[in-house]
Amino acid sequence: DTEVTQTPKHLVMGMTNKKSLKCEQHMGHRAMYWYKQKAKKPPELMFVYSYEKLSINESVPSRFSPECPNSSLLNLHLHALQPEDSALYLCASSQGTEAFFGQGTRLTVV
Amino acid sequence: RKEVEQDPGPFNVPEGATVAFNCTYSNSASQSFFWYRQDCRKEPKLLMSVYSSGNEDGRFTAQLNRASQYISLLIRDSKLSDSATYLCVVNSRYNFNKFYFGSGTKLNVKP
Repeated sequence: DTEVTQTPKHLVMGMTNKKSLKCEQHMGHRAMYWYKQKAKKPPELMFVYSYEKLSINESVPSRFSPECPNSSLLNLHLHALQPEDSALYLCASSQGTEAFFGQGTRLTVV
Repeated sequence: RKEVEQDPGPFNVPEGATVAFNCTYSNSASQSFFWYRQDCRKEPKLLMSVYSSGNEDGRFTAQLNRASQYISLLIRDSKLSDSATYLCVVNSRYNFNKFYFGSGTKLNVKP
């Protein structure tokens, strides 16, 4: 099973809202990722967790807060987002070789 | 200089054509190489890993030239369903947790 599951698939939130994106994988992968993708651009790395510890933060604004409760789960907490944060948010996992992506959450900030 | 550079698109080809995509990477410490396919408004999906000896999967052939730091993907007998964006992805032996993406090449296969 090479599945990474993300919820929700779509999310519309106001600039004062707090919401969370969730990601789950049961492949035993030790690395999990959050990417942001705008239209017609490649995925842009936000965060990497390795063995449940944050190993890479690509200078992401603090209104995005990642959390890795256990080796299978990854969350992205959102607060006070801006309209320009509207994008497809992709979760991925890897065991050091290829990465497998979830279907993404299409986020619209209004 | 970008870590990974790809041919600019779009490539517009008729069904049945052979099409080749190229990709260069700047870091000689790059360890693993992949081609991903991404359909419009969907997630990237692994198409092929690329091995030093080259590898083939049906109509798709991937080649790696470490000396030139160059990766290619050849698609033979293009189908309408091959229309997508193809992403070249590389990671480093010093930080195999970090994947570097090319900007992607869009392929349109037309009847």
